[in-house]
Amino acid sequence: AQKITQTQPGMFVQEKEAVTLDCTYDTSDQSYGLFWYKQPSSGEMIFLIYQGSYDEQNATEGRYSLNFQKARKSANLVISASQLGDSAMYFCAMRTQAGTALIFGKGTTLSVSS
Amino acid sequence: EPEVTQTPSHQVTQMGQEVILRCVPISNHLYFYWYRQILGQKVEFLVSFYNNEISEKSEIFDDQFSVERPDGSNFTLKIRSTKLEDSAMYFCASSNRVMPGNTIYFGEGSWLTVV
Repeated sequence: AQKITQTQPGMFVQEKEAVTLDCTYDTSDQSYGLFWYKQPSSGEMIFLIYQGSYDEQNATEGRYSLNFQKARKSANLVISASQLGDSAMYFCAMRTQAGTALIFGKGTTLSVSS
Repeated sequence: EPEVTQTPSHQVTQMGQEVILRCVPISNHLYFYWYRQILGQKVEFLVSFYNNEISEKSEIFDDQFSVERPDGSNFTLKIRSTKLEDSAMYFCASSNRVMPGNTIYFGEGSWLTVV
């Protein structure tokens, strides 16, 4: 069975600090993709970053990077230099070769303070 | 930048009424999805749609739900007889291909409140 686990219900960080949001996954498929989405209080789902199972390099998108450790089945999101606007819910999600749907974790609420 | 658009943004309906949520996916996308998120909970997959038919559905997507692509642009989710537990944010999404690396883009969601 495919599963995404996010063990941190809430994280708190000061502005300009880096923060790591944890995500572990479980799948027997060899080909899969891992995604992070941001959901601000307004409710929309914003795509942040993608990592493929065969990608050798960790994905980066601006201040976002994905710490992909395949052997540990983890795909942690690192946000560098946090900003107040980063306060939101963050979801890790997975999509496998076998299925078309994204499977989501329960999310982590990030609060950035000044 | 192309985006998925959803209407209405918020709907309040009486229990037992039928509701239709509408979506316009990104124009060159071929795969369409509905997800829902009950307040404070995780996002749950409902159904995926390709080539005018359902390609995958979850246990949540029972007989009270249906999807349709009535014309070349709209993609709708119908809930036949709403229940209180159908109150949730419903997200429409689309992607260009079904490969794992193809990003699924979400609309802004439709809040459904069943009273």
